[in-house]
This record gives sequence, structure tokens and C-alpha cells, in this order.
Amino acid sequence: AQSVTQLGSHVSVSEGALVLLRCNYSSSVPPYLFWYVQYPNQGLQLLLKYTSAATLVKGINGFEAEFKKSETSFHLTKPSAHMSDAAEYFCAIPSGGGADGLTFGKGTHLIIQP
Amino acid sequence: EAGVAQSPRYKIIEKRQSVAFWCNPISGHATLYWYQQILGQGPKLLIQFQNNGVVDDSQLPKDRFSAERLKGVDSTLKIQPAKLEDSAVYLCASSSRSRTGELFFGEGSRLTVL
Repeated sequence: AQSVTQLGSHVSVSEGALVLLRCNYSSSVPPYLFWYVQYPNQGLQLLLKYTSAATLVKGINGFEAEFKKSETSFHLTKPSAHMSDAAEYFCAIPSGGGADGLTFGKGTHLIIQP
Repeated sequence: EAGVAQSPRYKIIEKRQSVAFWCNPISGHATLYWYQQILGQGPKLLIQFQNNGVVDDSQLPKDRFSAERLKGVDSTLKIQPAKLEDSAVYLCASSSRSRTGELFFGEGSRLTVL
């Protein structure tokens, strides 16, 4: 089964600083990769999606992610953090094996320091 | 377009009691998922429906959890009897037949078992 690993359960950055959240997928090249964001007491919202059309994917709220096959990575970045970016971020991959749900990483809690 | 609706948003019960959660997916979405999200972890798939048929329930604790989607639209997830470790947010998601991989989530139902 496919899986994703998110390095760092908590990441803290200063407002205005670069945001980098790490995600590595299991060895098989997936058809899709996702980043979802979850604000407190809310469901998950799609941030961006990789579909093999382009390795650099732009999402909402100024986030982007780059698919790197050689590194099996799909890291999420944002040039300048805003206080409103404080949330939980999840990387996800199709579960495979006939079912078309998603398997999620454990999540990274992004903390923005004023 | 209305999103995925879930109720109740919050529920507190004693262990060994029963509880039911309801989900109404986005109109026209054939696939419906129930995920369990324990505090500090990523969502874990419990069950996936395609219309009113079960596609994957391999991670559903069938001795206490049950789910149905009788008319291929709304779904109910039931826990009976509840255990302390069932305290979690139960997320419902839906997707269309286009198989783009994207899931649309509701806001979740937070269960606390005392």
C-alpha cells in the first residue's frame, strides 16, 4: 500500500519567513499527491494537487509544492508566512489496491510566531 | 454548491453507550468515505461506499462500528458500545466518479467518550 511520511510534527516560523513542510511518498510513483489544510475545529480543505501535468504545483493562499521523483518528495512551501497560515497540514496519496480513497500522513502543525 | 454536511458537530457519551453520526455528501457524488481522526494523527479510513455498496471496510472495527448508505446518498456511522479509545473526530468525505482523486470533507463530528 502507498504511504506518505511527513517529517516534523510541529514547525514554527516567524511571520514573513519561508514556510517549508516536508512530505515523502513511498517508492511507487503515484498518479496524484495532495496537500490538505485543517484549521481548528474544521474539516480538511484541499490546498493543492499534483497530477503529473506539472512538477511545480500552485495552490491556494500562496502555497506551492514541487514533485521530485528522484527524492520521492512533495514538499510544501510558501515564501512569506502569514498569521492566518497557522493550521494542521496533511500530505495525502491515493490508497491504491482497488480502493480510491486517500492515505494521509500524520500531519504537521504549523505555528506562526509574530 | 452545498458542501458535505455532518451532524452532530459534538457528542459526549459515557463508555459502553451508543452514538450515531450522519453525513450528507455533495450532490451527485457517488463515493462516500468515513474517516477517523484521533488527536494528533492523520485521518484513517474506516469505510468507503460506492453508491450504496461497500468498497473497503478493512479498517472498520466491525465488532462495534457499523455504517450504512441505504439509498446511495446519506450515510450513518454507528458505534455500539463505545470505548474510551473511540474519542476522535469522525470525518465524512465524498468524491465524484471522475477519479481525480480529490476528496471533499465535511467539518467532522467530534466524539468524546468518558
